[in-house]
Amino acid sequence: DVKVTQSSRYLVKRTGEKVFLECVQDMDHENMFWYRQDPGLGLRLIYFSYDVKMKEKGDIPEGYSVSREKKERFSLILESASTNQTSMYLCASSSQGQLTDTQYFGPGTRLTVL
Amino acid sequence: AQKITQTQPGMFVQEKEAVTLDCTYDTSDQSYGLFWYKQPSSGEMIFLIYQGSYDEQNATEGRYSLNFQKARKSANLVISASQLGDSAMYFCAMTLGGTGNTPLVFGKGTRLSVIA
Repeated sequence: DVKVTQSSRYLVKRTGEKVFLECVQDMDHENMFWYRQDPGLGLRLIYFSYDVKMKEKGDIPEGYSVSREKKERFSLILESASTNQTSMYLCASSSQGQLTDTQYFGPGTRLTVL
Repeated sequence: AQKITQTQPGMFVQEKEAVTLDCTYDTSDQSYGLFWYKQPSSGEMIFLIYQGSYDEQNATEGRYSLNFQKARKSANLVISASQLGDSAMYFCAMTLGGTGNTPLVFGKGTRLSVIA
């Protein structure tokens, strides 16, 4: 069974803190993605990676960075959390090469920045 | 730029009835894939169905079918025999052809409520 896990379901942090969101997949997928979801805005792409140590900016990368040191793990970093980063964060992974390759999602992390 | 439009913020359907959720897309590419995902209140995104731009037949997966009209650039999701457990947010999404590296572009979603 396919599995994408995220380190926390709920997280509360203070403004200015450094925040790490971890995502791990066990499907040997090449591609990994970070999205944020806000009411009325749908899902928006923050960063994605198609290989270890590779990263590409998505639509809203400002205020975020990522790290992919191992194939199975993709971390999203908020260098200095702000209240406008309060959101639901979803990680996904997919294999590479086919148009039909489905993205599989983790359960999401609801982050609140106070 | 690619774009997905879901014009129905919310929909209600009676249990056991069929419902259609609308999705239109905009791309100049010839090769693309269309996906529908379900997101229950728990938050997890669940893949439902896929349609490729070159597929001649409409995709079906159990009670889900995709009404693909390429000339109109629409990819509506049809859920037959609605169940209470179908109450959720539904997202239409698109990816482009090529190497398969392109991320999904999502619509803003439709909240479906199934009434007993």
